[in-house]
Amino acid sequence: EPEVTQTPSHQVTQMGQEVILRCVPISNHLYFYWYRQILGQKVEFLVSFYNNEISEKSEIFDDQFSVERPDGSNFTLKIRSTKLEDSAMYFCASSDGGIDEQYFGPGTRLTVT
Amino acid sequence: AQSVTQLDSQVPVFEEAPVELRCNYSSSVSVYLFWYVQYPNQGLQLLLKYLSGSTLVKGINGFEAEFNKSQTSFHLRKPSVHISDTAEYFCAVRRRNQGGKLIFGQGTELSVKP
Repeated sequence: EPEVTQTPSHQVTQMGQEVILRCVPISNHLYFYWYRQILGQKVEFLVSFYNNEISEKSEIFDDQFSVERPDGSNFTLKIRSTKLEDSAMYFCASSDGGIDEQYFGPGTRLTVT
Repeated sequence: AQSVTQLDSQVPVFEEAPVELRCNYSSSVSVYLFWYVQYPNQGLQLLLKYLSGSTLVKGINGFEAEFNKSQTSFHLRKPSVHISDTAEYFCAVRRRNQGGKLIFGQGTELSVKP
C-alpha cells in the first residue's frame, strides 16, 4: 500500500538555525499539507500546496516558514530561523483532492534547543 | 470557520468493555467528518469518515461512529475494546471543497486496561 514518508524522524537544532523537513507524498496525489502537533496539544494545520503554489495557510505559517516541491516527488518545509516554540511533531499529508482522505506520514519530531 | 471539541481528554476502560469517545463540531457550512487514531510514536491513521448518506459509519478495527446533524456530534464507539486499542484518537472536520484543510479536536487518550 502506498504511504507518505518523512525524513528525518527526529531533528535536533539550535535556536536560530534553519531546518528543512522532507516528505515524499503518495505519487499520484495532487494536494500536499503540513501540520504540526506541539506536545500535549492538538494537531494544527500549517499550509496546503497545490499546483506548485500555496493554496491555504494558517496564521502560524509566517515569513519564517516556506514550502517547496523541488522535484516530482519531494515536498519540503523550511523554517528559516527556528525558535524554541517551533519544537513540535511535524506531519506531512497528501490527498488526491477529492473527497478522499488525507494520508499522513509518520512525522518528524523537531526539537529546538 | 470550523471547530471541533472532544469532550474527554482521557478515557480509561477495561478490556472487553464498550467505549464511546465524544466529538462535537461547529461549522457554518457542510463538512466531512473523520476520526483518526495515533498509536504511540506513529503517524495518524484514518479510522473512519462520514461523507454523506447513512449516518452510521463503520471503520477499521471494529469502530463505528454516528453522525448526528441536529446535535452536531460524531461520537466514536466500539462495543468491546482490546489492549491494542490503546492510542490517541482525534476527531476532525473539513469543508466540502477540494483539498480543504483538516481541523482537529484536542484528542482523547484511550487507555485500555487488562
